[in-house]
Amino acid sequence: GQSLEQPSEVTAVEGAIVQINCTYQTSGFYGLSWYQQHDGGAPTFLSYNALDGLEETGRFSSFLSRSDSYGYLLLQELQMKDSASYFCAVRELANQAGTALIFGKGTTLSVSS
Amino acid sequence: DAGVIQSPRHEVTEMGQEVTLRCKPISGHNSLFWYRQTMMRGLELLIYFNNNVPIDDSGMPEDRFSAKMPNASFSTLKIQPSEPRDSAVYFCASSTRGGGYGYTFGSGTRLTVV
Repeated sequence: GQSLEQPSEVTAVEGAIVQINCTYQTSGFYGLSWYQQHDGGAPTFLSYNALDGLEETGRFSSFLSRSDSYGYLLLQELQMKDSASYFCAVRELANQAGTALIFGKGTTLSVSS
Repeated sequence: DAGVIQSPRHEVTEMGQEVTLRCKPISGHNSLFWYRQTMMRGLELLIYFNNNVPIDDSGMPEDRFSAKMPNASFSTLKIQPSEPRDSAVYFCASSTRGGGYGYTFGSGTRLTVV
């Protein structure tokens, strides 16, 4: 089985930096992904970490520590449009034929002016 | 590319009726996934296909749910008979094989069973 833990809500102000943590337990692990979902919209891919370390994509960065079963999403220079839900997801081996993403419950980020 | 296309966008049906949700994946993507999203349970994986073959359907909640992928460009998720607890947003997503690098989700179907 698998489980992912992330905070349910985070609040911040414009221009600030926020970190959303994710811890996971899986029977097999291939990588940690992050997705963003605005109200009424579809999840959209943000980042993927298969190896330990930090991956940077513009204002967003994602970190993974495989030994700690832990990762985080770092959002810098927050903007109002960053208000959304953020999901961590693990790619887990279901069987020899393939893998699928299992999602956490999501963190709702509210950015205020 | 038009992305992953789902239909209908909204569906309201009465309990006991059959519901069919449709999905057209991105051309060239050979993995297709069906997820269900509710406030209580979040995003749940229902079933996924690789090269049109069902790989893991352990997330399908009951025998009332079935999914097919008759070809590389079309998949259906059917609920028969539907129940109020099936009310949720159903997402279809596609990716290239080994798609931990990124799934592309459709806009979803918001299903309400009354």
